[in-house]
Amino acid sequence: DAKTTQPPSMDCAEGRAANLPCNHSTISGNEYVYWYRQIHSQGPQYIIHGLKNNETNEMASLIITEDRKSSTLILPHATLRDTAVYYCIVRVSDTDKLIFGTGTRLQVFP
Amino acid sequence: GAVVSQHPSWVICKSGTSVKIECRSLDFQATTMFWYRQFPKQSLMLMATSNEGSKATYEQGVEKDKFLINHASLTLSTLTVTSAHPEDSSFYICSARDPITGRQETQYFGPGTRLLVL
Repeated sequence: DAKTTQPPSMDCAEGRAANLPCNHSTISGNEYVYWYRQIHSQGPQYIIHGLKNNETNEMASLIITEDRKSSTLILPHATLRDTAVYYCIVRVSDTDKLIFGTGTRLQVFP
Repeated sequence: GAVVSQHPSWVICKSGTSVKIECRSLDFQATTMFWYRQFPKQSLMLMATSNEGSKATYEQGVEKDKFLINHASLTLSTLTVTSAHPEDSSFYICSARDPITGRQETQYFGPGTRLLVL
């Protein structure tokens, strides 16, 4: 199973773009990259996922490198409510299982 | 996105008693649900995969007789912590995969149930 590596914490000023990196150098060709976030004492919230191409939705953008060994989640205009732990997950091949790593704790400050 | 609920949101029980936690998919049918456990300041740990109409699949190290899972319908899975002890105190979270075309790759999580065993 592909593992992910994320910085333990990051800070971002309110209104600025937050760029959260993730390394997944052992990812297989048919494994998706998922991003979830967890606000304190709540269940994780789905943000976005992708396979090869860059993806964008109303919450964020996902940039996946051409070799698929890393990706970046972009929150274009961070707000205080975006303060959370962000998890980058590679979905286990041929199953639905999501294996969570330690994530990045993003602190958005005024 | 799809909505998953859990009940209760928190529960306090005495050591030795059993506690049942419900996980419901409110606006979709889920053939597969997942149960996670999260200790303070730690990440989520997958406990088991709950399959409608069949036995659950447990992750390595998770006692199936301790954590009973029942997935009797397409919208409900239950986790029963049997003979709970203080070390079972944790945040229990379920998730369900939305099978609707276009969203079938996505899992949606419930709000979690906080269990405190005294």
